[in-house]
This record gives sequence, structure tokens and C-alpha cells, in this order.
Amino acid sequence: DSGVTQTPKHLITATGQRVTLRCSPRSGDLSVYWYQQSLDQGLQFLIQYYNGEERAKGNILERFSAQQFPDLHSELNLSSLELGDSALYFCASSGLNEQFFGPGTRLTVL
Amino acid sequence: AQKVTQAQTEISVVEKEDVTLDCVYETRDTTYYLFWYKQPPSGELVFLIRRNSFDEQNEISGRYSWNFQKSTSSFNFTITASQVVDSAVYFCALSEARRNTDKLIFGTGTRLQVFP
Repeated sequence: DSGVTQTPKHLITATGQRVTLRCSPRSGDLSVYWYQQSLDQGLQFLIQYYNGEERAKGNILERFSAQQFPDLHSELNLSSLELGDSALYFCASSGLNEQFFGPGTRLTVL
Repeated sequence: AQKVTQAQTEISVVEKEDVTLDCVYETRDTTYYLFWYKQPPSGELVFLIRRNSFDEQNEISGRYSWNFQKSTSSFNFTITASQVVDSAVYFCALSEARRNTDKLIFGTGTRLQVFP
């Protein structure tokens, strides 16, 4: 158990819908990262937050957004979903340059 | 540009064989970190090791060992006496410490299948 929690574990929804993925980092970790793992794109960095502020952005679509709250948990919002958004979404948190990953949320868009 | 290459897409071995997973990286920075993660069939990403660019000592942890060679920009991972439980996808990753983020750049992964 990495100490990073993600909910829900599975999510099935339809095209055009909006979903929210939630992540709680390990106790004491200020950084939260979101990654997407898909068959065609592999494991890709989406976005990083540090203590509530956006720190870095990767290949994140404009339809996607994220935030980190004062209690340090983070949410990834995916809107206008398309079939190609089906993927495993990981959250990670880090202390001293070691990133520990949550179990992931498997999103299926039908 | 940062890049991680894992040229081996899939490797199959029989139990007790030794196996080496290759990882080649590209970066312009002098300070960086290299990682290996394991993704078993259950899907989670399990942290195995982090190595910084100034430490070229090889590391051994039980049946696992890592060989870091800056001269060839490689960070290879060897499993000795492989076991069925080692079957997983293994990812090599890179992060650059100098920038304001330590996001990970992953390779495409190597699927290891260990047969009994």
C-alpha cells in the first residue's frame, strides 16, 4: 500500500459526460501528480500541483482540469468525454523526489 | 529533450533464468533521477528504485540489481533467478531535478512473462 488513495476504482460513463476523479496524497506530501495510461499513448504526465498551486502541465487536454484543495487532496475533472479518454488515471504524491502512485481509476467511456 | 527508451517490448523467460531489462535515456541536464516501476497484472504502479545522476554505483536488492552507466545513458535492471511473481510490465522513468517540477517521463515499458 503506497498510502495514496484514489476514488473511484472504476468508472463507466458515456460520451459527452463529465466525471471527477479524486486523489488523497500520502500524509505530509505536498505534491500531487496526475498521469494517464492508455494503450496508444502509454504513461503520460498530465499535471502537477504543489501545496495548492499548479506547478507543471503536461499533455493535458483543455477538456480536462484539476485542482488541489487546502487539505491537499486533488481532483481531476474530465468533461465532454470521448471514447479515446478511456484509460487508467493515476495520481501520485511525492516527498523527497520519490513518487508513490495510487491504485488508479479505470475510466471507460462508452 | 527528455526521452526514455525501452526497446524490449516483451520478454519471456522460464523460471530461474536471469533476465535484464534495458533502459536508455536522453536528457540535457546534468542533474536528474532515474526510476524503475513495476506494474503487475493488478494494475498498480510499484516503486522499485530511484537513482540520482551523481551516483553511478550499482545497486542490489535481493534478486534485483541495477546497472547505471552515464557513459552510455543506460539504467538497466536485472532480475536474477526469475520467479513467476516477477511477471509484470516494468517501466523506466526519468525526472530532471533542476526544473521546477519532478514530473516523470516514462518509457513504453517492457512486459516480462516468467513461465513455470
